[in-house]
Amino acid sequence: ETGVTQSPTHLIKTRGQQVTLRCSSQSGHNTVSWYQQALGQGPQFIFQYYREEENGRGNFPPRFSGLQFPNYSSELNVNALELDDSALYLCASRPSGKTEAFFGQGTRLTVV
Amino acid sequence: KQEVTQIPAALSVPEGENLVLNCSFTDSAIYNLQWFRQDPGKGLTSLLLIQSSQREQTSGRLNASLDKSSGRSTLYIAASQPGDSATYLCAASSFSNDYKLSFGAGTTVTVRA
Repeated sequence: ETGVTQSPTHLIKTRGQQVTLRCSSQSGHNTVSWYQQALGQGPQFIFQYYREEENGRGNFPPRFSGLQFPNYSSELNVNALELDDSALYLCASRPSGKTEAFFGQGTRLTVV
Repeated sequence: KQEVTQIPAALSVPEGENLVLNCSFTDSAIYNLQWFRQDPGKGLTSLLLIQSSQREQTSGRLNASLDKSSGRSTLYIAASQPGDSATYLCAASSFSNDYKLSFGAGTTVTVRA
């Protein structure tokens, strides 16, 4: 039990649609990161938020965006979905002053 | 840029054998290295985290070492059990980019009963 909860667990969308994935972290976990994991590969860093501001971004286009809220929840939004966006999306949080990341169970997104 | 490699991609051993999983990273200015377990279709479970100032960490049957000079970390699992079957991922972060974890592709382990 990591204390990080993601919803929904599975999702099917059509190419061109928009999707919002959600993550809820433990109290005190001020840092949240999102990762994309394609089948058979390691997770790739999308971006990170600290105290509701983005403070790091990986090699993903602007149609990937996020939000972090004061209640330690966060969202990943993806616009204009493409078939290659099909993947497991993972949320990870870190407590203040700590370096260990705790991951949620992921959201499996399928784009058809 | 931190790049992480895990070899082999898959490993099959009989129950009771010790497991040795390898991880290589390119940036020796490592901030920390974390080992994770992932069951099929599931999220990541943190196993061990080694800070840059440490050489190893132990938890039960698990032991992970870190050698910054050679750019390597090794995860040892003693007396493997069928329940250890999973994919094991290592992830490194660098001092220049301490918030980003760079992952290897993982080693998928099968422990045969």
